[in-house]
Amino acid sequence: DAGVTQSPTHLIKTRGQQVTLRCSPKSGHDTVSWYQQALGQGPQFIFQYYEEEERQRGNFPDRFSGHQFPNYSSELNVNALLLGDSALYLCASSLGIPRGEQFFGPGTRLTVL
Amino acid sequence: AQSVTQPDIHITVSEGASLELRCNYSYGATPYLFWYVQSPGQGLQLLLKYFSGDTLVQGIKGFEAEFKRSQSSFNLRKPSVHWSDAAEYFCAVGAWAAGNKLTFGGGTRVLVKP
Repeated sequence: DAGVTQSPTHLIKTRGQQVTLRCSPKSGHDTVSWYQQALGQGPQFIFQYYEEEERQRGNFPDRFSGHQFPNYSSELNVNALLLGDSALYLCASSLGIPRGEQFFGPGTRLTVL
Repeated sequence: AQSVTQPDIHITVSEGASLELRCNYSYGATPYLFWYVQSPGQGLQLLLKYFSGDTLVQGIKGFEAEFKRSQSSFNLRKPSVHWSDAAEYFCAVGAWAAGNKLTFGGGTRVLVKP
């Protein structure tokens, strides 16, 4: 049973560029949440997708957007990258909301130069 | 709004000694509490969770945690640590009313001395 997978593993971008990160949920899961983990900090909730709609959003600017596909996979897009966007981006999947234990992927390490 | 505080940024413990990591939360309703572990370069692995019922929760890898409502705490314990327990540990609170959004503490890094 494949767990949560994320791609790419690492990514280097320059300021002002745009980036897309991808997540495939654990088999049978229909809800995807995205978190940003800056170096030395705990993860912070970005947003959550269920039934292809954004259901909850954390305190992140509109430069952060996402999408969920009919197969439940998800993308996180960040426009106009800033140096402060450098972080580990974690995807978590669960079955249904509000209940459902979240399973995390290994993350995508984004470095903005 | 919910919040989580992990007062200890770093803890060093000798192999075989006991370990206790502190977690204090703030949430207006009944909290759903979690402990995750993160090894370098890895994602988060769930150690244990508290939803309701028995306030002493058993988890994987020999960890347990105790929910104390009066102290707004959910401390993690292990009687005897192994070198492989060296990692970063995160406490988190989930809110059903907020679609199970998790709010994490800042983490505690555990170093294990031989």
